Amino acid sequence: EAQVTQNPRYLITVTGKKLTVTCSQNMNHEYMSWYRQDPGLGLRQIYYSMNVEVTDKGDVPEGYKVSRKEKRNFPLILESPSPNQTSLYFCASSSTGINEKLFFGSGTQLSVL
Amino acid sequence: KQEVTQIPAALSVPEGENLVLNCSFTDSAIYNLQWFRQDPGKGLTSLLLIQSSQREQTSGRLNASLDKSSGRSTLYIAASQPGDSATYLCAVKGNTPLVFGKGTRLSVIA
Repeated sequence: EAQVTQNPRYLITVTGKKLTVTCSQNMNHEYMSWYRQDPGLGLRQIYYSMNVEVTDKGDVPEGYKVSRKEKRNFPLILESPSPNQTSLYFCASSSTGINEKLFFGSGTQLSVL
Repeated sequence: KQEVTQIPAALSVPEGENLVLNCSFTDSAIYNLQWFRQDPGKGLTSLLLIQSSQREQTSGRLNASLDKSSGRSTLYIAASQPGDSATYLCAVKGNTPLVFGKGTRLSVIA
């Protein structure tokens, strides 16, 4: 089944404790992206990657890191999480054609205490 | 900078009613517009994608239209059902990655 898989689904952590949210897709998509969704603010893009070893900042990259060493994986790294990073995070992927649909993972609910 | 607006933020209708959700965008230089559905606490599912050269797309009871020159799109849902209750988001793609609206939360009452 074609899918984008995020782990974990829920995560509670404390300020300053490094964490990684994993994202994997099995559709051979070149494009991958991370979003955060907050009430009243909607979906905001954190980072995106057009292909292996190519990453770019989105609208809200501060406090986050990403890497794209393999085509299927695009982990999101929070080196020193803070409470304002408490949010619902989504990974998404698509082919790089202009008119390609975007596929989303099920989300990771992160709480930073 | 592209801005995408969805009005109303929430909508409640009785089962069986036909309804229209609205999406407007400020920059008409787009490649396509997508409509997504999001169930509570879940990811987004792409419903329809309309290319800039197209006027509308249909899938089952859903019909999406695009008027690029006026910066507007509508999602028409025919004969609404309680299972249609969800948040519907539109997103436009131009020379930058997708820009999302904040969504319309739809409740269909049985």
